[in-house]
Amino acid sequence: QQQVKQSPQSLIVQKGGISIINCAYENTAFDYFPWYQQFPGKGPALLIAIRPDVSEKKEGRFTISFNKSAKQFSLHIMDSQPGDSATYFCAASLDSWGKLQFGAGTQVVVTP
Amino acid sequence: DTAVSQTPKYLVTQMGNDKSIKCEQNLGHDTMYWYKQDSKKFLKIMFSYNNKELIINETVPNRFSPKSPDKAHLNLHINSLELGDSAVYFCASSLHSSGEYFGPGTRLLVL
Repeated sequence: QQQVKQSPQSLIVQKGGISIINCAYENTAFDYFPWYQQFPGKGPALLIAIRPDVSEKKEGRFTISFNKSAKQFSLHIMDSQPGDSATYFCAASLDSWGKLQFGAGTQVVVTP
Repeated sequence: DTAVSQTPKYLVTQMGNDKSIKCEQNLGHDTMYWYKQDSKKFLKIMFSYNNKELIINETVPNRFSPKSPDKAHLNLHINSLELGDSAVYFCASSLHSSGEYFGPGTRLLVL
């Protein structure tokens, strides 16, 4: 049973647009929510992470929004660039070094 | 370069063989992991070691045996390889609140 549900499966956005990926979780004990970026042939790379005591975290063009009551969190990629084309995974765990439960991934394609 | 490294990068082998994948991290982390990524890109944890002690052991066939000789190394040995073992295997490491850092992966193909 997948504990973290991610949508959409794929996303095409024009250069300069906003990419939005959503995740929902069931286990209210989760307290660490990272996002990973994976390019073809590479390992996932930690992009940004949030804990449930804040509702938003921003790093450059990447923003995580967190809604604890709805058990949802999302990644916004502002001013999307072709170099952002990759697969993005959300994840959740009981702590930052615990067992990560991954979403199924979203393939983002940014067109020039 | 500080990183998580894995060898080999590619592994092609026959069904029934035994193979090992090695992982090393020089980040000073105390926890290491093995993940399996299937053909649909789904990532699932297999094992986790903290300071050489096994702390996570998911429902993985006992043909898979991890071994951590020290905090910086975590190897994965697979006995009697099956077609369904074909996947990409990622090693990762973490320290307290740093999040998990992944290696480049080992692409295993069982023929």
